[in-house]
Amino acid sequence: QVQLQESGPGLVKPSETLSLTCAVTGYSISSGYYWGWIRQPPGKGLEWIGSIYRGGSTYYNPSLKSRVIISVDTSKNQFSLKLNSVTAADTAVYYCAASSDYDMAFDIWGQGTMVTVSS
Amino acid sequence: QSALTQPASVSGSPGQSITISCTGTSSDVGGYNYVSWYQQHPGKAPKFMISDVSKRPSGVSSRFSGSKSGNTASLTISGLQAEDEADYYCCSYAGSSTWVFGGGTKLTVL
Repeated sequence: QVQLQESGPGLVKPSETLSLTCAVTGYSISSGYYWGWIRQPPGKGLEWIGSIYRGGSTYYNPSLKSRVIISVDTSKNQFSLKLNSVTAADTAVYYCAASSDYDMAFDIWGQGTMVTVSS
Repeated sequence: QSALTQPASVSGSPGQSITISCTGTSSDVGGYNYVSWYQQHPGKAPKFMISDVSKRPSGVSSRFSGSKSGNTASLTISGLQAEDEADYYCCSYAGSSTWVFGGGTKLTVL
Protein backbone atom coordinates (compact mmCIF):
# COMPACT_ATOMS: atom_id res chain seq x y z
CA GLN A 1 0.00 0.00 0.00
CA VAL A 2 1.53 3.26 -1.15
CA GLN A 3 1.55 6.07 1.40
CA LEU A 4 2.75 9.65 1.18
CA GLN A 5 3.75 11.97 4.03
CA GLU A 6 4.63 15.64 3.67
CA SER A 7 7.06 17.43 5.97
CA GLY A 8 8.60 20.87 6.19
CA PRO A 9 8.38 24.27 7.88
CA GLY A 10 4.91 25.61 8.54
CA LEU A 11 6.05 29.24 8.36
CA VAL A 12 8.14 30.90 5.66
CA LYS A 13 9.11 34.55 5.37
CA PRO A 14 8.20 36.58 2.29
CA SER A 15 10.82 36.47 -0.48
CA GLU A 16 12.35 33.30 0.94
CA THR A 17 12.16 29.72 -0.36
CA LEU A 18 9.46 27.25 0.64
CA SER A 19 10.86 23.73 0.93
CA LEU A 20 8.79 20.60 1.47
CA THR A 21 9.53 16.89 1.31
CA CYS A 22 7.23 13.96 0.62
CA ALA A 23 8.26 10.56 1.95
CA VAL A 24 7.01 7.60 -0.08
CA THR A 25 6.43 4.23 1.57
CA GLY A 26 5.24 0.99 0.04
CA TYR A 27 6.51 1.70 -3.47
CA SER A 28 9.76 2.56 -5.23
CA ILE A 29 9.88 6.18 -6.29
CA SER A 30 11.77 5.13 -9.41
CA SER A 31 8.79 3.20 -10.73
CA GLY A 32 5.77 4.18 -12.83
CA TYR A 33 4.11 7.10 -11.09
CA TYR A 34 4.13 10.82 -11.57
CA TRP A 35 5.03 12.23 -8.13
CA GLY A 36 3.47 15.62 -7.76
CA TRP A 37 2.62 18.63 -5.64
CA ILE A 38 -0.81 20.25 -5.41
CA ARG A 39 -1.76 23.21 -3.25
CA GLN A 40 -4.95 24.71 -1.85
CA PRO A 41 -5.06 28.28 -0.50
CA PRO A 42 -7.42 28.73 2.45
CA GLY A 43 -11.03 28.57 1.26
CA LYS A 44 -10.02 28.08 -2.37
CA GLY A 45 -9.61 25.30 -4.91
CA LEU A 46 -6.86 22.91 -5.84
CA GLU A 47 -3.93 23.96 -8.02
CA TRP A 48 -1.48 21.56 -9.62
CA ILE A 49 2.07 22.81 -9.03
CA GLY A 50 4.14 20.22 -10.83
CA SER A 51 5.22 16.60 -11.08
CA ILE A 52 8.31 14.47 -11.56
CA TYR A 53 8.28 11.17 -13.44
CA ARG A 54 10.38 8.10 -12.85
CA GLY A 55 12.75 10.12 -10.76
CA GLY A 56 13.86 12.35 -13.59
CA SER A 57 11.66 14.35 -15.93
CA THR A 58 9.93 17.36 -14.40
CA TYR A 59 6.75 19.14 -15.44
CA TYR A 60 5.46 22.39 -13.99
CA ASN A 61 2.38 24.57 -14.01
CA PRO A 62 3.25 27.38 -16.45
CA SER A 63 2.07 29.97 -13.93
CA LEU A 64 4.62 28.79 -11.35
CA LYS A 65 7.35 27.38 -13.56
CA SER A 66 9.82 30.21 -13.01
CA ARG A 67 9.79 29.68 -9.23
CA VAL A 68 9.47 25.91 -8.80
CA ILE A 69 11.88 23.01 -8.61
CA ILE A 70 10.79 19.43 -7.93
CA SER A 71 13.46 16.83 -7.32
CA VAL A 72 13.79 13.25 -6.18
CA ASP A 73 16.10 11.53 -3.70
CA THR A 74 15.95 7.87 -4.66
CA SER A 75 18.22 6.84 -1.79
CA LYS A 76 15.60 8.12 0.67
CA ASN A 77 12.60 7.28 -1.52
CA GLN A 78 11.29 10.81 -1.28
CA PHE A 79 10.69 13.82 -3.47
CA SER A 80 10.83 17.51 -2.73
CA LEU A 81 9.35 20.86 -3.66
CA LYS A 82 11.15 24.17 -3.65
CA LEU A 83 9.20 27.35 -4.37
CA ASN A 84 11.25 30.52 -4.29
CA SER A 85 10.43 34.19 -3.84
CA VAL A 86 7.26 33.38 -1.91
CA THR A 87 4.57 35.91 -1.07
CA ALA A 88 1.40 35.77 1.00
CA ALA A 89 -0.36 34.39 -2.09
CA ASP A 90 1.64 31.19 -1.64
CA THR A 91 0.02 30.51 1.73
CA ALA A 92 -1.78 27.21 1.31
CA VAL A 93 -2.13 23.59 2.28
CA TYR A 94 0.42 21.72 0.18
CA TYR A 95 -0.34 18.14 -0.78
CA CYS A 96 1.95 15.60 -2.35
CA ALA A 97 0.15 13.16 -4.61
CA ALA A 98 0.88 10.33 -7.00
CA SER A 99 -0.62 9.94 -10.44
CA SER A 100 -0.37 6.62 -12.22
CA ASP A 101 0.86 6.76 -15.78
CA TYR A 102 -2.03 4.69 -17.13
CA ASP A 103 -5.03 6.69 -15.89
CA MET A 104 -3.31 10.03 -15.18
CA ALA A 105 -5.37 10.45 -12.01
CA PHE A 106 -4.06 11.40 -8.60
CA ASP A 107 -4.77 8.05 -6.97
CA ILE A 108 -2.82 8.64 -3.79
CA TRP A 109 -2.60 11.73 -1.60
CA GLY A 110 -0.65 12.77 1.44
CA GLN A 111 -2.51 14.33 4.35
CA GLY A 112 -1.33 17.81 3.43
CA THR A 113 0.74 20.37 5.29
CA MET A 114 -0.19 24.01 5.92
CA VAL A 115 2.43 26.57 4.95
CA THR A 116 1.97 30.20 5.92
CA VAL A 117 4.01 32.97 4.33
CA SER A 118 4.41 35.77 6.83
CA SER A 119 7.11 37.88 8.41
CA GLN B 1 -3.66 26.85 -18.69
CA SER B 2 -6.94 28.09 -17.19
CA ALA B 3 -8.86 26.35 -14.42
CA LEU B 4 -11.75 24.16 -15.50
CA THR B 5 -15.19 25.67 -14.86
CA GLN B 6 -17.45 24.11 -12.25
CA PRO B 7 -20.59 25.50 -10.62
CA ALA B 8 -19.79 26.99 -7.24
CA SER B 9 -22.54 25.05 -5.53
CA VAL B 10 -25.22 22.44 -6.05
CA SER B 11 -27.75 20.98 -3.67
CA GLY B 12 -30.16 18.11 -3.43
CA SER B 13 -32.32 16.23 -0.98
CA PRO B 14 -31.51 12.77 0.35
CA GLY B 15 -32.33 10.11 -2.23
CA GLN B 16 -32.23 12.51 -5.15
CA SER B 17 -29.62 12.69 -7.92
CA ILE B 18 -27.39 15.64 -8.72
CA THR B 19 -24.94 16.35 -11.51
CA ILE B 20 -21.84 18.52 -11.35
CA SER B 21 -20.45 19.83 -14.62
CA CYS B 22 -16.83 20.52 -15.46
CA THR B 23 -16.14 22.56 -18.59
CA GLY B 24 -12.75 22.89 -20.21
CA THR B 25 -11.39 23.14 -23.71
CA SER B 26 -10.25 20.91 -26.53
CA SER B 27 -6.76 21.13 -25.00
CA ASP B 28 -7.78 19.40 -21.81
CA VAL B 29 -11.23 17.85 -21.15
CA GLY B 30 -12.12 17.56 -24.82
CA GLY B 31 -8.74 16.30 -25.89
CA TYR B 32 -8.18 13.41 -23.53
CA ASN B 33 -10.24 10.78 -21.72
CA TYR B 34 -8.25 11.50 -18.57
CA VAL B 35 -10.81 13.33 -16.46
CA SER B 36 -10.79 12.51 -12.77
CA TRP B 37 -12.95 13.56 -9.83
CA TYR B 38 -12.14 14.09 -6.17
CA GLN B 39 -14.26 14.45 -3.04
CA GLN B 40 -13.01 16.62 -0.20
CA HIS B 41 -14.55 16.89 3.23
CA PRO B 42 -13.63 19.90 5.38
CA GLY B 43 -10.11 19.71 6.74
CA LYS B 44 -9.36 16.50 4.87
CA ALA B 45 -7.23 15.59 1.88
CA PRO B 46 -9.06 15.02 -1.40
CA LYS B 47 -10.26 11.48 -2.07
CA PHE B 48 -9.92 9.96 -5.52
CA MET B 49 -13.41 9.02 -6.83
CA ILE B 50 -13.35 8.68 -10.63
CA SER B 51 -10.63 8.22 -13.27
CA ASP B 52 -10.64 7.97 -17.05
CA VAL B 53 -13.91 9.97 -17.17
CA SER B 54 -16.05 7.18 -15.73
CA LYS B 55 -14.01 4.50 -13.94
CA ARG B 56 -14.55 3.99 -10.24
CA PRO B 57 -11.66 2.70 -8.15
CA SER B 58 -12.26 -0.13 -5.75
CA GLY B 59 -14.19 1.00 -2.72
CA VAL B 60 -16.03 3.93 -4.31
CA SER B 61 -19.80 3.60 -4.26
CA SER B 62 -21.60 2.82 -7.53
CA ARG B 63 -23.80 5.84 -6.75
CA PHE B 64 -20.97 7.92 -8.22
CA SER B 65 -20.68 7.97 -12.00
CA GLY B 66 -18.88 10.07 -14.57
CA SER B 67 -19.37 10.98 -18.19
CA LYS B 68 -18.09 13.36 -20.84
CA SER B 69 -19.45 15.10 -23.90
CA GLY B 70 -17.17 17.33 -25.90
CA ASN B 71 -15.38 19.75 -23.62
CA THR B 72 -17.65 19.10 -20.64
CA ALA B 73 -17.36 16.30 -18.12
CA SER B 74 -19.96 15.49 -15.50
CA LEU B 75 -20.14 13.76 -12.15
CA THR B 76 -23.51 12.33 -11.14
CA ILE B 77 -24.31 11.23 -7.62
CA SER B 78 -27.47 9.20 -7.29
CA GLY B 79 -29.35 8.35 -4.11
CA LEU B 80 -27.85 11.31 -2.27
CA GLN B 81 -26.78 10.65 1.29
CA ALA B 82 -25.84 13.06 4.04
CA GLU B 83 -22.24 11.82 3.90
CA ASP B 84 -21.97 12.99 0.28
CA GLU B 85 -21.98 16.61 1.44
CA ALA B 86 -18.50 17.81 0.51
CA ASP B 87 -16.54 19.76 -2.07
CA TYR B 88 -15.98 18.09 -5.43
CA TYR B 89 -13.16 18.83 -7.86
CA CYS B 90 -12.65 17.73 -11.42
CA CYS B 91 -9.21 17.42 -12.94
CA SER B 92 -8.10 16.89 -16.50
CA TYR B 93 -4.84 15.87 -18.07
CA ALA B 94 -3.85 18.73 -20.35
CA GLY B 95 -1.09 17.16 -22.39
CA SER B 96 2.70 17.25 -22.05
CA SER B 97 2.42 15.75 -18.56
CA THR B 98 0.47 18.67 -17.14
CA TRP B 99 -2.83 18.78 -15.27
CA VAL B 100 -5.53 21.35 -14.56
CA PHE B 101 -8.16 21.34 -11.81
CA GLY B 102 -11.63 22.79 -11.69
CA GLY B 103 -12.52 25.50 -9.22
CA GLY B 104 -14.54 23.11 -7.08
CA THR B 105 -18.24 22.63 -6.32
CA LYS B 106 -19.77 22.62 -2.87
CA LEU B 107 -22.49 19.98 -2.58
CA THR B 108 -25.12 20.57 0.06
CA VAL B 109 -27.47 17.77 1.04
CA LEU B 110 -30.67 19.46 2.18
